[in-house]
Amino acid sequence: DIQMTQSPASLSAAVGDRVTIACRASQTISTYLNWYQQKPGQAPKLLIYAVSTLQSGVPSRFSGSGSGTDFTLTISSLQPEDFATYFCQQSYSTPYTFGQGAKLEIK
Amino acid sequence: QVQLVESGGGVVQPGRSLRLSCAASGFSFSSYDIHWVRQAPGKGLEWVAFIYYDGSKKDYADSVKGRFTISRDNSKNTLYLQMNSLRAEDTAVYYCARIRTAVTESDYFDYWGQGTLVTVSS
Repeated sequence: DIQMTQSPASLSAAVGDRVTIACRASQTISTYLNWYQQKPGQAPKLLIYAVSTLQSGVPSRFSGSGSGTDFTLTISSLQPEDFATYFCQQSYSTPYTFGQGAKLEIK
Repeated sequence: QVQLVESGGGVVQPGRSLRLSCAASGFSFSSYDIHWVRQAPGKGLEWVAFIYYDGSKKDYADSVKGRFTISRDNSKNTLYLQMNSLRAEDTAVYYCARIRTAVTESDYFDYWGQGTLVTVSS
């Protein structure tokens, strides 16, 4: 199985900050990498697929980059509604594994 | 609009069975592969199983293989997860999620249900 490791596991930031979350795969996954946002008590929501394609309706302050084994999610200017947990996920091969999550909290 | 609504969760004793359902609406259900993903309380996301749009192929996580069965009834726009021999470690919120394929052939979960909680406890 492909292991997905996110860092940091948690971070504190202020509204307006630029934030980057990293995701590393245990083997190359090409561009088969997606990002989801989850708020407490809610289902995950797709933010970015295929590394860098923004899902419809997702604000442009979210962006993704990377290839092979190393990927990043960047939020250019944090808004109050962005405080949540973020998961990366590989769809290179089943089982489709997720990172352990990165919890973004208000500083 | 696309909707996925899970049901069937509840409290069940270890070793017993439970069947989850996922009712789909707002899209052509029979054209999409659908997956089950679960999340233990306070934990991360774990992929559980998937089924092809026509039911011709299925796959399972090793943790549930031989105990869980995924199926679908396209005439009823409904996905199922039959869970047998339940264990405490199966306690989780179970989500059904629709899969899409990008032009790059990368799959992604574009719509999720709200989830149904399964608690395995004596």
